[in-house]
Amino acid sequence: EVQLVESGGVVLQPGGSLRLSCAATGFTFDDYTMHWVRQAPGKGLEWVSQISWDGGRRFYADSVRGRFTISRDNSENSLFLQMNSLKTEDTALYYCGKGDSSSSGIVSWGQGTPVTVST
Amino acid sequence: SYELTQPPSVSVSPGQTARITCSGDALPKQYVYWYQQKPGQAPVVVIYKDTERPSEIPERFSGSRTGTTVTVTISGVQAEDEADYYCQSADISGTYPVFGGGTKLTVL
Repeated sequence: EVQLVESGGVVLQPGGSLRLSCAATGFTFDDYTMHWVRQAPGKGLEWVSQISWDGGRRFYADSVRGRFTISRDNSENSLFLQMNSLKTEDTALYYCGKGDSSSSGIVSWGQGTPVTVST
Repeated sequence: SYELTQPPSVSVSPGQTARITCSGDALPKQYVYWYQQKPGQAPVVVIYKDTERPSEIPERFSGSRTGTTVTVTISGVQAEDEADYYCQSADISGTYPVFGGGTKLTVL
């Protein structure tokens, strides 16, 4: 059974930094693209970033490019999101997702970790 | 930036058929996924690669496409199907995933 468990969400002030983690079990982690998706309170889903199986290709939404960095450690079956220069509009529940083979979809989701950026 | 358009809400009575649409110019060239999200829960994929259904999803869920519009159909809607539904695909390059704005399905 695929399991994705996010951690690292906190309350912090604008301009701060944070690193989210996602621990993956139940599948061959280094076979899959991984994603981060967020959901602001009461809003829809917003794709944030993705990383290829080997970490060689990384893509970001315009809203986070230059501030967020996605990475992975295949030896530890873990996915990360380094978030810098945080803004109030980054407040959201952040989900880790397992990508579908050869396509853009996300076939398994974690339960999310909350990030609140507030003064 | 590329957008996928969904109706904000759809309402049906139990036992009826619900159809939720999603429109986007690049849809003929990219796979579409549909996610169900119930309050306080993570999204769950109900349709992947346009028409495929995960084994744990009831047969009453199906996906289809016509040109630049894709549809998830729920036949014989049940109360437990009440949720937000999101379509997701990629931009024309196939690189960047994009979500529709979501449709709230209400079972009357």
